[in-house]
Amino acid sequence: NAGVTQTPKFRILKIGQSMTLQCTQDMNHNYMYWYRQDPGMGLKLIYYSVGAGITDKGEVPNGYNVSRSTTEDFPLRLELAAPSQTSVYFCASSSREEQPQHFGDGTRLSIL
Amino acid sequence: GQNIDQPTEMTATEGAIVQINCTYQTSGFNGLFWYQQHAGEAPTFLSYNVLDGLEEKGRFSSFLSRSKGYSYLLLKELQMKDSASYLCAVMDSNYQLIWGAGTKLIIKP
Repeated sequence: NAGVTQTPKFRILKIGQSMTLQCTQDMNHNYMYWYRQDPGMGLKLIYYSVGAGITDKGEVPNGYNVSRSTTEDFPLRLELAAPSQTSVYFCASSSREEQPQHFGDGTRLSIL
Repeated sequence: GQNIDQPTEMTATEGAIVQINCTYQTSGFNGLFWYQQHAGEAPTFLSYNVLDGLEEKGRFSSFLSRSKGYSYLLLKELQMKDSASYLCAVMDSNYQLIWGAGTKLIIKP
């Protein structure tokens, strides 16, 4: 029962570098989400997808990109990393939009 | 704007009962979720309310009043492992979750 798997768990980037955060789920869920969690604040939605080939912006999409070529995978791309992107990133999935979301263990990202 | 309010931190004693409140103002309402998040871990689903009233699930219960924009999570027979943050989230008219900042619950022996 893998559920939602995120890699890497930790990463340190230099300002201006790029990277891809990987997310895969084995529950055949159509809905997938990327959130960031900053201290003292609620989770903020970055991007979401309602199925393969379909993605849409959430509340805080600037500086990020996503793709959804398969039902299982939903990678998040950071281009030109900035210190403001230092955060914990969570990927989640659900079978339907009104159903509970299942979260991965998160990626702790520091931009220095 | 959309807003979810919950206390930042609460302290309770092992074996006791604690109530964590959540008030919300959102554009539309399609349900309210409670999640538990232990330090350094992912949020895990606890409960879902879409109709007014109380939902009970073992030691945990969740209450909703849509007219008051109010919910609470009730934890009974507190155990040390209940020390965690409790996140309130409301699904708005676009079926997107709006999250509160979470309530850190500290359990003392």
